[in-house]
Amino acid sequence: GAGVSQSPRYKVAKRGQDVALRCDPISGHVSLFWYQQALGQGPEFLTYFQNEAQLDKSGLPSDRFFAERPEGSVSTLKIQRTQQEDSAVYLCASSLATRRGFYNSPLHFGNGTRLTVT
Amino acid sequence: AQSVTQLDSHVSVSEGTPVLLRCNYSSSYSPSLFWYVQHPNKGLQLLLKYTSAATLVKGINGFEAEFKKSETSFHLTKPSAHMSDAAEYFCVVSGGGSQGNLIFGKGTKLSVKP
Repeated sequence: GAGVSQSPRYKVAKRGQDVALRCDPISGHVSLFWYQQALGQGPEFLTYFQNEAQLDKSGLPSDRFFAERPEGSVSTLKIQRTQQEDSAVYLCASSLATRRGFYNSPLHFGNGTRLTVT
Repeated sequence: AQSVTQLDSHVSVSEGTPVLLRCNYSSSYSPSLFWYVQHPNKGLQLLLKYTSAATLVKGINGFEAEFKKSETSFHLTKPSAHMSDAAEYFCVVSGGGSQGNLIFGKGTKLSVKP
């Protein structure tokens, strides 16, 4: 069946440009996470949605980062005035479980969007 | 705070020999622990998870891991490596709180020689 889909697969932006990264989670999945994976590092948590509610945005590195999930399905991660340190792979993951049942239902990851800021 | 340390950034084995990927964790309470695998240009895939049931956890593709509280370890093993096992492996601990954030280690790249 269809998995988590992210687009674009690759994005090159000039420093100072705004970018928008899209995530299509698996249909019916309640929980949605965004992670940032720098080169040679493990993914780091950015933000979490339960349906349309953004319940945790403690991992967003600055106020240039903004995420939304207005209808509780598709999510967009927006980065304003991109900087070179924003270059990374941005991963989206979804889960059928709500936060209470989270550990009993696996996270499904997309293939990520590789952002390069020049 | 919860954290994991993967002791080797790169492990190289020959096909057919055992695999050992080491992971130590730090947690202020009984943790949930996971191993994920990431093949090149592919999404992360869950190999196995420990959630305070049996300490020896079996996963997919012949991998297993043993939770050792006394050693704060959760090493990943496989008796016989296959060429298709070459990938990046991440040890992961639950971040706690109500949102279930996952905290990833830096990863271990496994190479398998023919």
